[in-house]
Amino acid sequence: QVQLQESGPGLVKPSQTLSLTCTVSGGSISSGNFYWNWIRQPAGKGLEWIGRLYTGGSGSIKYNPSFKGRVTISIDTSKNEVSLELSSVTAADSARYFCARARDYAGSVRPLDYWGQGTLVTVSS
Amino acid sequence: DIQMTQSPSSLSASVGDRVTITCRASQTIHNYLNWYHFQPGRAPKLLIFGASSLQTGVPSRFAGSGSGTNFTLAISNLHPEDFATYYCQQTYTTPLTFGGGTKVDIK
Repeated sequence: QVQLQESGPGLVKPSQTLSLTCTVSGGSISSGNFYWNWIRQPAGKGLEWIGRLYTGGSGSIKYNPSFKGRVTISIDTSKNEVSLELSSVTAADSARYFCARARDYAGSVRPLDYWGQGTLVTVSS
Repeated sequence: DIQMTQSPSSLSASVGDRVTITCRASQTIHNYLNWYHFQPGRAPKLLIFGASSLQTGVPSRFAGSGSGTNFTLAISNLHPEDFATYYCQQTYTTPLTFGGGTKVDIK
């Protein structure tokens, strides 16, 4: 059974860089065509897709343009981890951050089939 | 970006009831529509993918329908664990976008 677990500091100061890790167990992060996604949810608000990294042939990475170049998603296959960095954070970046997997195959609509429980991040001085 | 409009934003129901939630996309997304179940403190769960396909392990009381721009999630015979928040999501194009959510609570 694939499991995802987000981790990172719960408190980040304004203007600093938020760094989170998603540790995957129960399967290899790179043996297959997967999209590893980050999504966030501010308290009492809706879900916002941050970006995704593809472990298939193209190895492409896509980010939500609304983050204006502040996002970096990377992968460490030796640790079976996906990481998120969000720079120049403000209070508006306070949210629960989720990682989620989508599997790519012929005919797939690439739903997010496994999620972590999320980790709460507060941006405050 | 493709806007996803979900309704209602909340509803009250009783165990055993049938409820329906609708999701409308701002442009055609064909069948690239998925539904998720969210409960506080738990990992979100995929219910329906491709508008109408039931994810493995999801009870058959959940059913999805629709294509193009209009979609529906129906839950029949509500169980206690079904009182949660439901989100639709389009995976037709990036940025991936979600509906605003529908909270189903106990009447």
